[in-house]
Amino acid sequence: DGGITQSPKYLFRKEGQNVTLSCEQNLNHDAMYWYRQDPGQGLRLIYYSQIVNDFQKGDIAEGYSVSREKKESFPLTVTSAQKNPTAFYLCASPGSGNTIYFGEGSWLTVV
Amino acid sequence: KNQVEQSPQSLIILEGKNCTLQCNYTVSPFSNLRWYKQDTGRGPVSLTIMTFSENTKSNGRYTATLDADTKQSSLHITASQLSDSASYICVVSGYSNSGYALNFGKGTSLLVTP
Repeated sequence: DGGITQSPKYLFRKEGQNVTLSCEQNLNHDAMYWYRQDPGQGLRLIYYSQIVNDFQKGDIAEGYSVSREKKESFPLTVTSAQKNPTAFYLCASPGSGNTIYFGEGSWLTVV
Repeated sequence: KNQVEQSPQSLIILEGKNCTLQCNYTVSPFSNLRWYKQDTGRGPVSLTIMTFSENTKSNGRYTATLDADTKQSSLHITASQLSDSASYICVVSGYSNSGYALNFGKGTSLLVTP
């Protein structure tokens, strides 16, 4: 079945380190999104990509970077410039037929 | 510039009671509106999807309404259960200069108590 796969599910990062979260989809979708969610808060848009080799900043892009070299992959790098990276990260991809597909999310904790 | 506003931010109700969550939006042009249930640390699960021409849609004990004229939607939960405790997120899709866009509300956190 088609869907979105995020990995890892849990990740620990030391302060000053960059880490990359993976988001892969086999849905042949053009658009992919990355969201951050803090405990008790809603989803906030970090970056999104409408098509391969193109991406746009969302509302909280500072301290993050992305790439979209392949249609099926949209990795998110949390850089050392992100001062408060501990959060739940969610990847999404809207398709035709009014359906949005979500990954299961990744928990990032700074230790 | 949040284009989707949800209320209340949080809600506590007794098991068996009904509740209604609100979603107001300014997204234009509008494509569709979705309600999702999200358990902590999990991906959101779709409850309802409504397009411009639909004004009500049900999914079991969940009933969503949409007034496209006033740009308001509500999610009514009937006979709440403990398992309804979750965040409920309103997502409005529309088109901008960048193309098709998803606009997420911040969600309403619902706690159902015994």
